[in-house]
Amino acid sequence: DTGVSQDPRHKITKRGQNVTFRCDPISEHNRLYWYRQTLGQGPEFLTYFQNEAQLEKSRLLSDRFSAERPKGSFSTLEIQRTEQGDSAMYLCASSSTGGQPQHFGDGTRLSIL
Amino acid sequence: GESVGLHLPTLSVQEGDNSIINCAYSNSASDYFIWYKQESGKGPQFIIDIRSNMDKRQGQRVTVLLNKTVKHLSLQIAATQPGDSAVYFCAENIAGGYQKVTFGTGTKLQVIP
Repeated sequence: DTGVSQDPRHKITKRGQNVTFRCDPISEHNRLYWYRQTLGQGPEFLTYFQNEAQLEKSRLLSDRFSAERPKGSFSTLEIQRTEQGDSAMYLCASSSTGGQPQHFGDGTRLSIL
Repeated sequence: GESVGLHLPTLSVQEGDNSIINCAYSNSASDYFIWYKQESGKGPQFIIDIRSNMDKRQGQRVTVLLNKTVKHLSLQIAATQPGDSAVYFCAENIAGGYQKVTFGTGTKLQVIP
């Protein structure tokens, strides 16, 4: 499978715990994006990397959220001290240098108990 | 599986008929538009895109029309099949260097066999 891969697919955790998600983009893509999607809504942009550099962050990305892409390949998204409102689908996308179109993974569904 | 189509506008179409899904965008600065298909429990899947210097683009069984005057985008699906049942999102990318894609409100397409 040469598409965008996300792990885990589902995460259930108690409020206050930290969680980390991983995204492996399409191998030749140097741009990587994180989005969040809640039920009945379209995905909302969180942050964007070009290679290892994080170039844009949404205001949705509070200080409890941190994303990294240390070697310009896979990326991790960490949420600290999770809250009920963090329950959502977290989607990763990647694209080539031209930027578009973005190709999405199947997401990580986060449920906060 | 969990539905992404809760509380979304729904279009019901008989199998074999053509479907037209409409989308209005608000930002005149948008110069690139994409249609995504999202099935329950999966990430958005790229269908077709169009740049603002075009008003029509055709793919396999799909056509996208862009009317910049009224800021309207449509997706036409020919000979709709049961496998086309999903939520469809239009998305826009705003010129200026930022790479995020802004998603519109989705439309749930139900194909009646």
